[in-house]
Amino acid sequence: NAGVMQNPRHLVRRRGQEARLRCSPMKGHSHVYWYRQLPEEGLKFMVYLQKENIIDESGMPKERFSAEFPKEGPSILRIQQVVRGDSAAYFCASSTGELYEQYFGPGTRLTVT
Amino acid sequence: QQQVKQSPQSLIVQKGGISIINCAYENTAFDYFPWYQQFPGKGPALLIAIRPDVSEKKEGRFTISFNKSAKQFSLHIMDSQPGDSATYFCAASSQTGANNLFFGTGTRLTVIP
Repeated sequence: NAGVMQNPRHLVRRRGQEARLRCSPMKGHSHVYWYRQLPEEGLKFMVYLQKENIIDESGMPKERFSAEFPKEGPSILRIQQVVRGDSAAYFCASSTGELYEQYFGPGTRLTVT
Repeated sequence: QQQVKQSPQSLIVQKGGISIINCAYENTAFDYFPWYQQFPGKGPALLIAIRPDVSEKKEGRFTISFNKSAKQFSLHIMDSQPGDSATYFCAASSQTGANNLFFGTGTRLTVIP
């Protein structure tokens, strides 16, 4: 029974490039959350999606960041024109939407050089 | 503004001892309080969670104590083991909102053999 899957696990991008992070929720889960963790800090909420819908993007920077969760395929967090400050671990979590519990993936560690 | 405040930042406990981590919150709309355990390079793993209708929940060596009037909750790890050495995060969410989690800043626990 696969848990939440994220890829790539590590991603290196040069300033100005695009970063694309993928998240496949647990089987039976249709709700996805993205969080960002800076070194030595807690996780900060970015965006909450259901299939084909963005429910809450209040934690997402207004520029350069976007997220989607299409009807088929994984959820994608896209960061355009990356800057050094985007270097962080990005985690997605999934839930059924009916229960509170969120289960996290292993994360994608983005390094911007 | 940190919605959930966590202390201490780091904790060193002898094997067999009790580890206690505390969290406080302000938002009375929060109605779900989970604890996550995170090992280096891994995603957070859901450890135990509580809702405000109970004052205590125990699962194995892990106990959450919840004080609704004080808006505080804590994690107790009994008979701490070296394998418990990890970073622990408390969190809170509200079912009336998007159910996204607000995390504390984490406690790095080291259990000395």
